[in-house]
This record gives sequence, C-alpha cells and structure tokens, in this order.
Amino acid sequence: GESVGLHLPTLSVQEGDNSIINCAYSNSASDYFIWYKQESGKGPQFIIDIRSNMDKRQGQRVTVLLNKTVKHLSLQIAATQPGDSAVYFCAENIYNKLIFGAGTRLAVHP
Amino acid sequence: GAVVSQHPSRVICKSGTSVKIECRSLDFQATTMFWYRQFPKQSLMLMATSNEGSKATYEQGVEKDKFLINHASLTLSTLTVTSAHPEDSSFYICSARVGNNQPQHFGDGTRLSIL
Repeated sequence: GESVGLHLPTLSVQEGDNSIINCAYSNSASDYFIWYKQESGKGPQFIIDIRSNMDKRQGQRVTVLLNKTVKHLSLQIAATQPGDSAVYFCAENIYNKLIFGAGTRLAVHP
Repeated sequence: GAVVSQHPSRVICKSGTSVKIECRSLDFQATTMFWYRQFPKQSLMLMATSNEGSKATYEQGVEKDKFLINHASLTLSTLTVTSAHPEDSSFYICSARVGNNQPQHFGDGTRLSIL
C-alpha cells in the first residue's frame, strides 16, 4: 500500500545548528501536508502545514519545503534548541484522512 | 486555540474489562474526530473516523465491535475498548479538526495497560 516515510531515523544536532528533517511520500493525490512534533508521552503537536499548490512555507524558526516532482517534504528548524528534541512526523492528507510517516527522532546536544 | 482534551490519561485494568476514553474539543466544534493507536517507537495508525451524528468509519483490520465509537455532539467523541485483553494495551490518541483540509489537533493520548 502507499505510505508516507520509510523508517525512523535519528538526527543528532548541536544546539544552535540548523536541522533538516526529510520525508518521502508516495501518493501523488495528496493535497495537503502537515508536520507534527511529538514529545514523550504526549500527543502530536502541530508545527506547520503546506498545501500542494505551494513549494515553501515559513513559520517561526521553521520552514517546510515541498517538492512534488520527487514527492519529498522537508522541515527545516533554524537555531535548534534543546526544547526541539522530540519525534517529528510528516503526515499527508488524502481523502480527508491523515497518513503518518514513520517519524524522525531529533536529538539536540549542548 | 484548538485545544483537544482526552481523558483519562492512563488506565490500568484487568483483562475482560471495557474501557471508555473521552475526546473533547474545548474551544471549537468538530464535525469530525479521529482515533489513532500508537505502539512504542512506532507511528500513529488511524483506527477510525468519527462523524458527529452518524456511524464511525473504521479502517481495514479494525474491529468495529471491539472498538465502539460514539460522536454524540460536536465537541465529544468516545472510544470504548470492549472486553479488553493484553494485546489491546497501547497508546490511544484522538484528534479533531474544524473542517476538511484543516490541521488535526491532537489530545495528549491515553495509555491503556491491560493486565
């Protein structure tokens, strides 16, 4: 079946560096994409979203890039902080349902 | 805004017990709510879509008689795990959204442990 994401990698970064988390999706009919942050024992927290008619969207310290040609989504976090440590999920909206990727663990080191 | 409250946050009970989990949208009305299940170190798997005033739509492989969903109002959906067994132990998370193609906002989950 179609899915978002392939595995659960871990990204380790130094505090203050920029982080880039990647996600591959396979369903070309997806029209809306969301990045979520999940801390241990909590539900996912909305970070930023992007619609399929856009290729870039910026928020506070975060930027999402969408490349529909290669079905790739990325989340960039500027000046990564210890509080950014969590698991990050991309999710694609298709048929009004969200399909989640496997997630990436971000570990921020001082 | 867009706060979703889930209760209880943790349940420990004996095998054979039925457990009800509540999901409330506190500051918005949600015609659609969703129930997910998450095993340790894994992603969220959609179980069912809960529609206010109508029957829930279950994903393939999810037993509707095992996981009863009721969405009686625009701010409340409940998931009842009937006759729970140890294999039902998991992290159950609900979400709600204002409308189509809008972000889903998640509750903080319910950790269900069946002994």
